[in-house]
Amino acid sequence: AQKITQTQPGMFVQEKEAVTLDCTYDTSDQSYGLFWYKQPSSGEMIFLIYQGSYDEQNATEGRYSLNFQKARKSANLVISASQLGDSAMYFCAMPRDGGATNKLIFGTGTLLAVQP
Amino acid sequence: SQTIHQWPATLVQPVGSPLSLECTVEGTSNPNLYWYRQAAGRGLQLLFYSVGIGQISSEVPQNLSASRPQDRQFILSSKKLLLSDSGFYLCAWSTRTGTNSPLHFGNGTRLTVT
Repeated sequence: AQKITQTQPGMFVQEKEAVTLDCTYDTSDQSYGLFWYKQPSSGEMIFLIYQGSYDEQNATEGRYSLNFQKARKSANLVISASQLGDSAMYFCAMPRDGGATNKLIFGTGTLLAVQP
Repeated sequence: SQTIHQWPATLVQPVGSPLSLECTVEGTSNPNLYWYRQAAGRGLQLLFYSVGIGQISSEVPQNLSASRPQDRQFILSSKKLLLSDSGFYLCAWSTRTGTNSPLHFGNGTRLTVT
């Protein structure tokens, strides 16, 4: 069964610096996807970025990029030039059923605090 | 563009009372719909999944039920709330095609059972 692990309960970063949020996963599937979501204190879950297991390049979306290391089964989120508005919970997720459905399982999240 | 509406935003209910949370999606047809629950300081747990009207998959044993009376309407219900039903409930939708399409979430309902 798929499993997502986020080992950093909390992280601090100075404004304008880069930060890496860790995510490791476990799956026996050859084809799968990984998602990152941001949850501000208001509660909504905001989709940030997606990485497919067969994508040749690491995904990027603006200031967000994925450091995808398939052999290590890790998909770390890198946020460049941190802003105060980046302070939030961040969740890593992947489809539970090996991509047969969109049912996502989530890690326990990392709380990021951006300091001025 | 697609939007998802979820209400109410907050709810305080006594133990044993009924519950009805509603979620509607606009701007898309035949979406997959989901109900997730998030306990305080925890990740999300999938409660229900629906691929069409009247088609509901319950993912965990629980005190709650879900219904999908219309293509873009998803309702979470309970006949008698328990203290353990407290939490943050999130509705989400995704496209049917592309199993790696992201889930798009509503703003959530914070339920407190007293």
